[in-house]
Amino acid sequence: GQQVMQIPQYQHVQEGEDFTTYCNSSTTLSNIQWYKQRPGGHPVFLIQLVKSGEVKKQKRLTFQFGEAKKNSSLHITATQTTDVGTYFCAAGGKLIFGQGTELSVKP
Amino acid sequence: DAGVIQSPRHEVTEMGQEVTLRCKPISGHDYLFWYRQTMMRGLELLIYFNNNVPIDDSGMPEDRFSAKMPNASFSTLKIQPSEPRDSAVYFCASSFQGSSQPQHFGDGTRLSIL
Repeated sequence: GQQVMQIPQYQHVQEGEDFTTYCNSSTTLSNIQWYKQRPGGHPVFLIQLVKSGEVKKQKRLTFQFGEAKKNSSLHITATQTTDVGTYFCAAGGKLIFGQGTELSVKP
Repeated sequence: DAGVIQSPRHEVTEMGQEVTLRCKPISGHDYLFWYRQTMMRGLELLIYFNNNVPIDDSGMPEDRFSAKMPNASFSTLKIQPSEPRDSAVYFCASSFQGSSQPQHFGDGTRLSIL
């Protein structure tokens, strides 16, 4: 079945540093979604990308969908402690979630 | 607007007991999903429904697990008999007009089987 692989699994950054997580698939994706899960919380939908090469921004977050629609990235500029959590990509007809990237931010 | 509502929030029970988890999706959403989250296996889709009909239950671990959706505003996930390896956080989510549309998750049920 379809799988999405996320890297890295963990990322520890100093507050103010940038952060990027990547999501890769061996098959072409019709769309990709990103979710954030705070510690002890539930996944919360952030964004959906549909078009090849699409780039969307939400304040300090930038989301990209690859030209071949097989990969995606989430970049956070100047991380803050409020960015702490696990970021998941999800894709497929029945959403398959990646393993997530756990972000910790040291103040 | 009320989000997805799950109950109970926490459940601790002894192995062998029956466990029933409950979910009320967002009103108007026609898809409902049950997930299990563990450190080892991440977020796994167990089963999903469309218009109260189970569409894909390929993620259900074994016959001890069953799920029902008797109406558009209520679903249950039952484990009988429960085992320690069932300990996990179980999430319910709902979406509108498509299994690949953005999903809204409940707060989850943290299940511990002793």
